[in-house]
Amino acid sequence: EAGVAQSPRYKIIEKRQSVAFWCNPISGHATLYWYQQILGQGPKLLIQFQNNGVVDDSQLPKDRFSAERLKGVDSTLKIQPAKLEDSAVYLCASSLAGTYSYNEQFFGPGTRLTVL
Amino acid sequence: RKEVEQDPGPFNVPEGATVAFNCTYSNSASQSFFWYRQDCRKEPKLLMSVYSSGNEDGRFTAQLNRASQYISLLIRDSKLSDSATYLCVVILGGQNFVFGPGTRLSVLP
Repeated sequence: EAGVAQSPRYKIIEKRQSVAFWCNPISGHATLYWYQQILGQGPKLLIQFQNNGVVDDSQLPKDRFSAERLKGVDSTLKIQPAKLEDSAVYLCASSLAGTYSYNEQFFGPGTRLTVL
Repeated sequence: RKEVEQDPGPFNVPEGATVAFNCTYSNSASQSFFWYRQDCRKEPKLLMSVYSSGNEDGRFTAQLNRASQYISLLIRDSKLSDSATYLCVVILGGQNFVFGPGTRLSVLP
């Protein structure tokens, strides 16, 4: 079974530039998550989708971050404009459906973003 | 107080040693608890769920203490391959996923 796919794997940009990350979840997984993991810290949930609807985006810095999952499958996360403190690994994860119950999250390899 | 806190580590132990990590959480309404493992520069992977009665999976034992709001992970007979960062995950209401900062373990030959 194919895992969660993410691209690009690495991205280096200058501050104030824009960047977009792409995620393709495991087939059949209705729930998709984007996490930000800063070096030395645990992943921090940015946004959670159930199909193409947003379940939780309380920790998404909406002034610069946006995410969409238009057809309930692939998702994109965008940062515009980027700041130095956005340097981190952006992890996408997916799980079977279940807003009120927990199913194992499967993570992609992540995109390592460096903002100069 | 942070929502989820873990032993800062790193833990450096010899092969064959027993090592235990603790994780405390601040919200008493937290419902589900898990341990994830993250190898260096890799993605997190589920290690085991944590049940109220405690559960064991081979050399790994997880315990939950709701009264004191902490969970623990015990690794017996440590192997070199156990070297990783161990993340505890606390879930509130099925929607609020919070990862701890992780505890790094190095098993030395």
